[in-house]
Amino acid sequence: QVHLQESGPGLLKPSETLSLSCTVSGDSIRVYYWGWIRQPPGKGLEWIAYFYYSGTTFYNPSLKSRVTMSVDTSRDQFSLKLDSVTAADAAVYYCATGAASPFDYWGQGTQLTVSS
Amino acid sequence: SVLTQPPSASGTPGQRVTISCSGSTSNIGNYHVYWYQQLPGTAPKLLIYRDSQRPTGVPDRFSGSKSGTSASLAISGLRPEDEAHYFCGSWDDSLTAPWVFGGGTKLTVL
Repeated sequence: QVHLQESGPGLLKPSETLSLSCTVSGDSIRVYYWGWIRQPPGKGLEWIAYFYYSGTTFYNPSLKSRVTMSVDTSRDQFSLKLDSVTAADAAVYYCATGAASPFDYWGQGTQLTVSS
Repeated sequence: SVLTQPPSASGTPGQRVTISCSGSTSNIGNYHVYWYQQLPGTAPKLLIYRDSQRPTGVPDRFSGSKSGTSASLAISGLRPEDEAHYFCGSWDDSLTAPWVFGGGTKLTVL
């Protein structure tokens, strides 16, 4: 089994920067993608970004101007930064990884609340 | 959402239910479809990959199919524990948004 664990601040004020990290552990399997997804309360899934092992990072156009994703494949860790958060960014943030797609295996998620 | 799913579906225990996912030639028509199950209060889990493949541990009651620009998830022998949200996803031709999700379907077991 592959286990992913997100870590994040939980609570931010508007205009602050969200920094998330994800650690992958468990069975050693070959993966080619690492990704981030979020889910606002009561809503569907929105992919944020994903990294392909060739070195390319894809960002959701709706968030691209505010998002940076980095991956350290040698340490099975990757991270996400989202600048200038607003109430609209409140969501559960998931990290994921996979071979067939960026989202084969998911973390349990970390909640973000944005409030002054 | 780029992929269209019905917001809700329902069935009684033992029944077979299907959930549809409609797209276009930019996504489902040319790429694989993936299905995710999200049980209440938990993270999504991959249920079907590459249109019809089941990851290890997923019961064969769950099956996926694709035809043209639409895909379907079928659940046979419906059980109360199948009550969940189901999302489809696929690659897309768009250079700027190469992945798309459906809006999700809430399955209720009556």
